[in-house]
Amino acid sequence: EPEVTQTPSHQVTQMGQEVILRCVPISNHLYFYWYRQILGQKVEFLVSFYNNEISEKSEIFDDQFSVERPDGSNFTLKIRSTKLEDSAMYFCASSRDSHNEKLFFGSGTQLSVL
Amino acid sequence: AQSVAQPEDQVNVAEGNPLTVKCTYSVSGNPYLFWYVQYPNRGLQFLLKYITGDNLVKGSYGFEAEFNKSQTSFHLKKPSALVSDSALYFCAVSTNAGKSTFGDGTTLTVKP
Repeated sequence: EPEVTQTPSHQVTQMGQEVILRCVPISNHLYFYWYRQILGQKVEFLVSFYNNEISEKSEIFDDQFSVERPDGSNFTLKIRSTKLEDSAMYFCASSRDSHNEKLFFGSGTQLSVL
Repeated sequence: AQSVAQPEDQVNVAEGNPLTVKCTYSVSGNPYLFWYVQYPNRGLQFLLKYITGDNLVKGSYGFEAEFNKSQTSFHLKKPSALVSDSALYFCAVSTNAGKSTFGDGTTLTVKP
């Protein structure tokens, strides 16, 4: 079965530094998402992306966050100036359609902000 | 605003016994309901979904879920639990906007 791939699997950074988390969604999918999970529990929606623009974002997704699809395959999440509370597991997901199709999740990037 | 509640943090069952993981939801309009499973250090994996049609939905690994509109519930069930079913289970609801809202998760432990 096709997979969503994420790199790196672990990222350690200093507070205030910029990080870029990378994702390669499934090739024929049109909708892309970032979620995060703190302490292995609650899964929080960050942003959805379709047709090269953000379709919805949560209150977590403030000005420090941005997403980009720089080419036909990659989908990136940038955190401009990381804070301690940004430490979490970040999951990329994609789907063929937006609301009635299952999400395919990557294995995640564990971000640790020191 | 849409929301999902999973009232139990933990569910413990003996192998071979039936299991139920509870989920209730709140959404404007027609709900699209999903169950996902997460194994340690892995991403979430799709189990099943309800869009329309039969209220009883069958999914992967022998799981099923029953949509109950009057009770706004979508409980996950399996007739006979396996030790390998032990994992973290998430209920989710989405709408036409595409955003999926997840519950807080329920840890299922199946003991031999």
